[in-house]
Amino acid sequence: GAVVSQHPSRVICKSGTSVKIECRSLDFQATTMFWYRQFPKQSLMLMATSNEGSKATYEQGVEKDKFLINHASLTLSTLTVTSAHPEDSSFYICSARAGRRTNEQFFGPGTRLTVL
Amino acid sequence: ELKVEQNPLFLSMQEGKNYTIYCNYSTTSDRLYWYRQDPGKSLESLFVLLSNGAVKQEGRLMASLDTKARLSTLHITAAVHDLSATYFCAVDEDWGAQKLVFGQGTRLTINP
Repeated sequence: GAVVSQHPSRVICKSGTSVKIECRSLDFQATTMFWYRQFPKQSLMLMATSNEGSKATYEQGVEKDKFLINHASLTLSTLTVTSAHPEDSSFYICSARAGRRTNEQFFGPGTRLTVL
Repeated sequence: ELKVEQNPLFLSMQEGKNYTIYCNYSTTSDRLYWYRQDPGKSLESLFVLLSNGAVKQEGRLMASLDTKARLSTLHITAAVHDLSATYFCAVDEDWGAQKLVFGQGTRLTINP
């Protein structure tokens, strides 16, 4: 149980285009989903927290107009990188929390974004 | 603001040896997690520690939590090459959205 999927796993796009990444909780309902970004050889940095049906809460320094998050249902959240630039190239990882006693987050397999 | 620090950040060791990775955090919390990350992959959950004195073991890895000292340890016994990876600890904030704050990661290399 507690499986989270991400799609696509890898995407290469041209500068200026937008890219959408999907995060799904496959076998549980996620009360909260999180989006992280990881640069090579660094730790995970939280970008935003989203709850179903409400606006995402962005961390300081994360542009909400550039990284659009939609949490349409209890099993799906999407991250859209708008007008992508090479500096947006990174590993994006989502996680989902079921609201259980452990408060544990379950992580997706990640999406490698390369902007040319 | 919750801060999580791991020590060491890099660790190169020989197979068969024992070693410990330390994870210190700055504010109260009683939920700490250990993850493993292989190159190019996402996080794999290793341990969930939910109370003071919690100890969990899986194979050659053992994790413990001391909430009073705000310290967790990940002990590796008789290391094998397959354990080479980056290990992260992470702590839940005890307030608000209860965000997860990660340590810097410990890159472990085990040499034959």
